[in-house]
Amino acid sequence: GESVGLHLPTLSVQEGDNSIINCAYSNSASDYFIWYKQESGKGPQFIIDIRSNMDKRQGQRVTVLLNKTVKHLSLQIAATQPGDSAVYFCAENMNDYKLSFGAGTTVTVRA
Amino acid sequence: KAGVTQTPRYLIKTRGQQVTLSCSPISGHRSVSWYQQTPGQGLQFLFEYFSETQRNKGNFPGRFSGRQFSNSRSEMNVSTLELGDSALYLCASSRATAEDTQYFGPGTRLTVL
Repeated sequence: GESVGLHLPTLSVQEGDNSIINCAYSNSASDYFIWYKQESGKGPQFIIDIRSNMDKRQGQRVTVLLNKTVKHLSLQIAATQPGDSAVYFCAENMNDYKLSFGAGTTVTVRA
Repeated sequence: KAGVTQTPRYLIKTRGQQVTLSCSPISGHRSVSWYQQTPGQGLQFLFEYFSETQRNKGNFPGRFSGRQFSNSRSEMNVSTLELGDSALYLCASSRATAEDTQYFGPGTRLTVL
């Protein structure tokens, strides 16, 4: 079946730099995409979402970009902080009451 | 507003036993979903409930079952436990529709020996 996947399993970034986490999806029928952050010992925490009729959405220090032509999703984190160290998942919602998750990218922030 | 709560947080069982996990959704949320998270398979959807009815089910054997109560609280049960069932079981709640954001609880860590 179709699934959501991430380009890189790990990302190391210097504190204060910007981070870009990528995600490729294969189901063109997907309507809604979500980014979650999971810290060690915790459940996934909602960061930001984007609908398929949008190209960009901004939150506090985060921006999600959606490119439907190449089926690509990215999460940009501005001025990365130590508290941003976590595993980041993109998830795909096809309006069938379930989320399909990618494998996750582990972000490590260097001091 | 309190978040999604799951009990217990940790469980250790032996092969062949059964286990029941509990989830209380965010107040006002009527949809509850369950996911299994393992290092090898990642996050996999188990099932979703709304108004005590299962609306979708993932590709798991019949040993995995769930239910939802009239107060939207949900339980999942795994019978005849196998070593491979060791995982973090996550519950997520949302308001009602398929488009509503799902908010996750901290999970129940199940270890099968």
